[in-house]
Amino acid sequence: SQQGEEDPQALSIQEGENATMNCSYKTSINNLQWYRQNSGRGLVHLILIRSNEREKHSGRLRVTLDTSKKSSSLLITASRAADTASYFCATDGIQGAQKLVFGQGTRLTINP
Amino acid sequence: DAGITQSPRHKVTETGTPVTLRCHQTENHRYMYWYRQDPGHGLRLIHYSYGVKDTDKGEVSDGYSVSRSKTEDFLLTLESATSSQTSVYFCAISDRGGANTGELFFGEGSRLTVL
Repeated sequence: SQQGEEDPQALSIQEGENATMNCSYKTSINNLQWYRQNSGRGLVHLILIRSNEREKHSGRLRVTLDTSKKSSSLLITASRAADTASYFCATDGIQGAQKLVFGQGTRLTINP
Repeated sequence: DAGITQSPRHKVTETGTPVTLRCHQTENHRYMYWYRQDPGHGLRLIHYSYGVKDTDKGEVSDGYSVSRSKTEDFLLTLESATSSQTSVYFCAISDRGGANTGELFFGEGSRLTVL
């Protein structure tokens, strides 16, 4: 079963607006990662946040992590058409798992 | 971009035939992964490797086998392809694992159609 679940499944906004995507997970984690996938391409890593961190920034990206609620959010500010893609969260497990488990993704469309 | 090459990129085959997908990396990363991506399921881990000749099963390993005889190559084999294995397959690599899992670098995917 999927560890992470993204919400919403699809999001359509106007260029320049902010986009927020959420991820919920089930078990304790060491870290949570966000990836982007352009249509027909492989996934690209965006940001990693560790379980002892609450917020992390990278350019126009802001990620928050609430381990008490087992949830994370990805905020993209001042969206651009090039941000159109699917976004996935991925979590590991503190059991020493050497793998990431991905959610089903949020399809983000930026309208010009 | 990380040096990951998947081959073939596209393949159409018939039910019951064997299929091998190859993932080749030039990064000398220890960890290698095979995922499949299907609508409504996201990415699901098939098998992974944590070193030469060291592999383990993922969440959807039935019907698949893997081999890693050298650091740079990770092969995924479907011994007898079925229509349910029609999917896009992604290889990924990482230089960290265990409790310190790091970012994954993905290949461009291999689209397999089983008729």
